[in-house]
Amino acid sequence: KQEVTQIPAALSVPEGENLVLNCSFTDSAIYNLQWFRQDPGKGLTSLLLIQSSQREQTSGRLNASLDKSSGRSTLYIAASQPGDSATYLCAVSYNQGGKLIFGQGTELSVKP
Amino acid sequence: GAGVSQSPRYKVAKRGQDVALRCDPISGHVSLFWYQQALGQGPEFLTYFQNEAQLDKSGLPSDRFFAERPEGSVSTLKIQRTQQEDSAVYLCASSLEDPPAPAGVTDTQYFGPGTRLTVL
Repeated sequence: KQEVTQIPAALSVPEGENLVLNCSFTDSAIYNLQWFRQDPGKGLTSLLLIQSSQREQTSGRLNASLDKSSGRSTLYIAASQPGDSATYLCAVSYNQGGKLIFGQGTELSVKP
Repeated sequence: GAGVSQSPRYKVAKRGQDVALRCDPISGHVSLFWYQQALGQGPEFLTYFQNEAQLDKSGLPSDRFFAERPEGSVSTLKIQRTQQEDSAVYLCASSLEDPPAPAGVTDTQYFGPGTRLTVL
């Protein structure tokens, strides 16, 4: 069964810290992997998309890495800010334009 | 530009009622997806359309769930005889992808704000 797991389920850090969110997937034959952000009562916002042939993607203070062979991805957030507080979701797709399989998310709280 | 919109944003139904949830995708987007998100969980796939064709409905939990996209744009997710376990946020997403896509074209899915359904 194709499953995605995210650790930890919740994380609370003081402002300014660097942090890492983890994602693992059971079937390594992915087409791509995406990291999303979800604010309460809102939809999902795509942060980074990594194709299966890529090792990492960067956007501002965010860096996502992909180790396809081991079935793992990490999202690194540098110099965290209170505005980064949200739920972060990892999702994989197994074909172009295909459905996404999501993890259960990591709820991040950044304290001022 | 306009993103994906969904209506209503909130819906309260009595057990046994039928409900209809609407999704307006980004103009020109070929693919449309419906997901169900239970409280504290990640979204789970329900069904997928490419234009008006429903290509995958493997995630629909029962035959009480029905989705359509008759003109290849707006989509409606209908739930008949609602049950308490249907309470969730229903998310719609659209993407531009139209196989075979040109090299370098990403198939990022753009999500709407969701409809929160509460069945009493």
